[in-house]
Amino acid sequence: KAGVTQTPRYLIKTRGQQVTLSCSPISGHRSVSWYQQTPGQGLQFLFEYFSETQRNKGNFPGRFSGRQFSNSRSEMNVSTLELGDSALYLCASSLSVQETQYFGPGTRLLVL
Amino acid sequence: AQSVTQLGSHVSVSEGALVLLRCNYSSSVPPYLFWYVQYPNQGLQLLLKYTSAATLVKGINGFEAEFKKSETSFHLTKPSAHMSDAAEYFCAVIRNSGNTPLVFGKGTRLSVIA
Repeated sequence: KAGVTQTPRYLIKTRGQQVTLSCSPISGHRSVSWYQQTPGQGLQFLFEYFSETQRNKGNFPGRFSGRQFSNSRSEMNVSTLELGDSALYLCASSLSVQETQYFGPGTRLLVL
Repeated sequence: AQSVTQLGSHVSVSEGALVLLRCNYSSSVPPYLFWYVQYPNQGLQLLLKYTSAATLVKGINGFEAEFKKSETSFHLTKPSAHMSDAAEYFCAVIRNSGNTPLVFGKGTRLSVIA
């Protein structure tokens, strides 16, 4: 069974631009979570989706948004990029909520 | 709210020596606990998980962890370190019910010296 896939793997943007990251969960998994990983803050929870509904949201500004489609694939969007948004963005999928999460390889975003 | 504390941001061991990575958790309800490993430029890989069955949990690559409720700990061990174990290790906790996200510790970077 294929694992969690994330596209693109690497991305370079400039301040003020917006970006969309994509995540395809493991087949059969209905829950998708997103995390931001930086050297200073570690792994921080962004949001969680289950059956196209946002169940949880972390403490991030409104510039960060996401959605989940009927096939469980998920996207996250960051608008008006700031230098501090440079990070590794990780997506994880699970069969359902409160279940074991399996992570993708991440998208490394660099904001210049 | 749940939280996780990993003692030691960096641990260094000799090849063949015991690996001990410490994790203490805080949770108001019975938790599920996880250890993940991250190799450079990769995502997180699940090592093992505790979900209220056996308190001693065996994972991949020879790692194991013991859930100790009285000490609120879930330390990760491996009897004999290998060079390939060098990576960053994360402990994580989630409530076994309700609507809360997975919470990670700050991570412990393991170095293995030849």
